[in-house]
Amino acid sequence: DTGVSQDPRHKITKRGQNVTFRCDPISEHNRLYWYRQTLGQGPEFLTYFQNEAQLEKSRLLSDRFSAERPKGSFSTLEIQRTEQGDSAMYLCASSLGAGVADTQYFGPGTRLTVL
Amino acid sequence: ELKVEQNPLFLSMQEGKNYTIYCNYSTTSDRLYWYRQDPGKSLESLFVLLSNGAVKQEGRLMASLDTKARLSTLHITAAVHDLSATYFCAVDLNFGNEKLTFGTGTRLTIIP
Repeated sequence: DTGVSQDPRHKITKRGQNVTFRCDPISEHNRLYWYRQTLGQGPEFLTYFQNEAQLEKSRLLSDRFSAERPKGSFSTLEIQRTEQGDSAMYLCASSLGAGVADTQYFGPGTRLTVL
Repeated sequence: ELKVEQNPLFLSMQEGKNYTIYCNYSTTSDRLYWYRQDPGKSLESLFVLLSNGAVKQEGRLMASLDTKARLSTLHITAAVHDLSATYFCAVDLNFGNEKLTFGTGTRLTIIP
């Protein structure tokens, strides 16, 4: 399978705990994006990387959130001191990062439930 | 701040009928995407519309873009059950595809 993969698919945690999600993009894609989707809403942009450089962060990404892409391949998204409001689907996407018709391809998502 | 609005939010239609989903956005953009999402699944890319007047068709779906009106439409022809899903439009504010701003989605249910 050459699509975007995410791990874990589901995570249940208690408020105040830290969680980390992983995303593996399509292998030749330079750009990697994180979005958050709550029930009944469209995805909201969180951050994106061009290779290993984090180029933009949404104001939704509080200082409890951190994302890395250390070698320009996979990425991790960590949430510290989780809150109930963090419960959502966290989606990762990747794109080639070149050309006019560049398209973001989405992974299956990690569903986070904070109790 | 870019706002993307879709209507209707919910649409229930009979098989064989035609209908249109509308996507309005608040700031000039030359690139618009349509995605499909099945319940509990991720987003599947349907169309990329790159310029004013662009029209793309795939099967029973046809998308168009009017950048002057800041409007895109997704037209469904002779709907079939397997088109039931939530459809999102998304706008790329910056030409460099740095981030997408999504609409709230249209949940489409096709009734036999």
